[in-house]
Amino acid sequence: SQQGEEDPQALSIQEGENATMNCSYKTSINNLQWYRQNSGRGLVHLILIRSNEREKHSGRLRVTLDTSKKSSSLLITASRAADTASYFCATRSGGSNYKLTFGKGTLLTVNP
Amino acid sequence: EAQVTQNPRYLITVTGKKLTVTCSQNMNHEYMSWYRQDPGLGLRQIYYSMNVEVTDKGDVPEGYKVSRKEKRNFPLILESPSPNQTSLYFCASAAGATRGDTQYFGPGTRLTVL
Repeated sequence: SQQGEEDPQALSIQEGENATMNCSYKTSINNLQWYRQNSGRGLVHLILIRSNEREKHSGRLRVTLDTSKKSSSLLITASRAADTASYFCATRSGGSNYKLTFGKGTLLTVNP
Repeated sequence: EAQVTQNPRYLITVTGKKLTVTCSQNMNHEYMSWYRQDPGLGLRQIYYSMNVEVTDKGDVPEGYKVSRKEKRNFPLILESPSPNQTSLYFCASAAGATRGDTQYFGPGTRLTVL
């Protein structure tokens, strides 16, 4: 079953602009992770934020987590054409299975 | 280089012909898992393994088998493939509870069952 739902489904911006993607989820989580997928290829882990964290940075990426609203956002600053990809949020709800429950993703297109 | 490898990357087969998709990781990870990705449905977990000889069902295990005889390998077996198993398959691994649960994904196997 889907846990995370990304918004928007598709986003098109110009190089140099910032891109913001949002993710909402339904049940309590242990952590939330963001992944990037280039067309039909493997998923690349971007960043993990734990349920007791509110914000995390990694290079041009900034992730926030609001557990009261069950939502997260991923901000990519100064976007590049190479950032064009699908972005997924994935939640881990705890327990012994490290299963990630993925949303359907946001397709980001960065135009040169 | 730390990585998860899958073979084959592409496979076209016919209904009922048994096949195995291999998965191997070189990071000494305890946890391994299989997902399938389908348009409109996203990624769904098929099976997972917490360690050698410990496996369990995920959300969509029907029609699949797995084994974990060695820590590094986690093959996915389709005993009698059917067209509804046409999908993009991903293997993933994670270190485990004490060393973090960031999951590392393989490059994917695109399977077509005719």
